[in-house]
Amino acid sequence: GAVVSQHPSWVICKSGTSVKIECRSLDFQATTMFWYRQFPKKSLMLMATSNEGSKATYEQGVEKDKFLINHASLTLSTLTVTSAHPEDSSFYICSVRDRAYNEQFFGPGTRLTVL
Amino acid sequence: EDQVTQSPEALRLQEGESSSLNCSYTVSGLRGLFWYRQDPGKGPEFLFTLYSAGEEKEKERLKATLTKKESFLHITAPKPEDSATYLCAVQGGSGGYQKVTFGTGTKLQVIP
Repeated sequence: GAVVSQHPSWVICKSGTSVKIECRSLDFQATTMFWYRQFPKKSLMLMATSNEGSKATYEQGVEKDKFLINHASLTLSTLTVTSAHPEDSSFYICSVRDRAYNEQFFGPGTRLTVL
Repeated sequence: EDQVTQSPEALRLQEGESSSLNCSYTVSGLRGLFWYRQDPGKGPEFLFTLYSAGEEKEKERLKATLTKKESFLHITAPKPEDSATYLCAVQGGSGGYQKVTFGTGTKLQVIP
């Protein structure tokens, strides 16, 4: 399966600052990447679908201006949490989908803690 | 709206004690049902994809089966290293947008 990396693996920031999370597809050209958020003991929640070279598609209830997504190349997508607040603290995970086999492969996740 | 319900929420097994995890689903036009393993603080690791009722897939001590309403993940003679949360997900819909919906998972603990 595809190998996906994320950076950083964890980040602690002060309320009001912006944080950028990178997602890289190391061995797979991904025209589409997905960003998920996961709360403890909760399901993975799809935030947005990132499309290379075009605007991201956000799920209902996800603030576009709060969670900025850029898919600059076939191997890199970034999620920027702008003006972060404590309620944004969560585990953020990206994934790529292999269209040939219709399977998703996930990155290791980024733990964001906003103080 | 697609729905995935996993049971039990948590399962504690003795090493070698076989059992099954359940994933019940409702979906409009099943495109695929997926099983993942997730260790604490890590992203999900892909295990299986099942596409149609009656299909089965195996990997080491794990075997996944699929009916029209549910899927089972059978664990045979589990070992402590099988301890993890197992997630089930379905992909439904037609056309270009095929959203994947995840269940909340079953947390498995295997005791030596």
